[in-house]
Amino acid sequence: NAGVTQTPKFRVLKTGQSMTLLCAQDMNHEYMYWYRQDPGMGLRLIHYSVGEGTTAKGEVPDGYNVSRLKKQNFLLGLESAAPSQTSVYFCATEGLAGVREQFFGPGTRLTVL
Amino acid sequence: AQSVTQPDIHITVSEGASLELRCNYSYGATPYLFWYVQSPGQGLQLLLKYFSGDTLVQGIKGFEAEFKRSQSSFNLRKPSVHWSDAAEYFCAVEGPTSYGKLTFGQGTILTVHP
Repeated sequence: NAGVTQTPKFRVLKTGQSMTLLCAQDMNHEYMYWYRQDPGMGLRLIHYSVGEGTTAKGEVPDGYNVSRLKKQNFLLGLESAAPSQTSVYFCATEGLAGVREQFFGPGTRLTVL
Repeated sequence: AQSVTQPDIHITVSEGASLELRCNYSYGATPYLFWYVQSPGQGLQLLLKYFSGDTLVQGIKGFEAEFKRSQSSFNLRKPSVHWSDAAEYFCAVEGPTSYGKLTFGQGTILTVHP
């Protein structure tokens, strides 16, 4: 079992470029989340999904879009990258039944020049 | 809006010493409370959680935390720190009806001296 994987691990973009981050899970979890981590600010929720075909905005959704076409995949898109989006991005998953434990991927370090 | 404050950005302890990491939260009622740990270059891992009941909760790796409603605190403790505990620790809260929508504190970096 791979758990939660993220692709790519590192990426450097120029301002205005676009990219998609992929989160894949083999845990059969319903809930999936995208966070960004910035120094001194902890993790902040960007978007989340409560099941296949659903998405919702989190705390800091501006400049990002997401899709959950398949249960096991959650994609985070940056249509026109800005330097303020330089961050480490984490995907997390969570099952149902009130366990309330999120499982995190290893992260993607994104630099926007 | 809910919020979490971890007053200590960086703590240094000697191996074998006791540890307490502070966490204060702001929420209208009693939220669900969590401590996560992040080792360098890794994702986060859940150490322990509190929903209700006994205010002293035990977690993995020998950690425990105590919920104090009167102080709106959920401090993490360990009686004897090991070098492998060096990591960043995050306190988080979740509203009981806000499934999965965690609010994290700023994090505390723990350095362990031999």
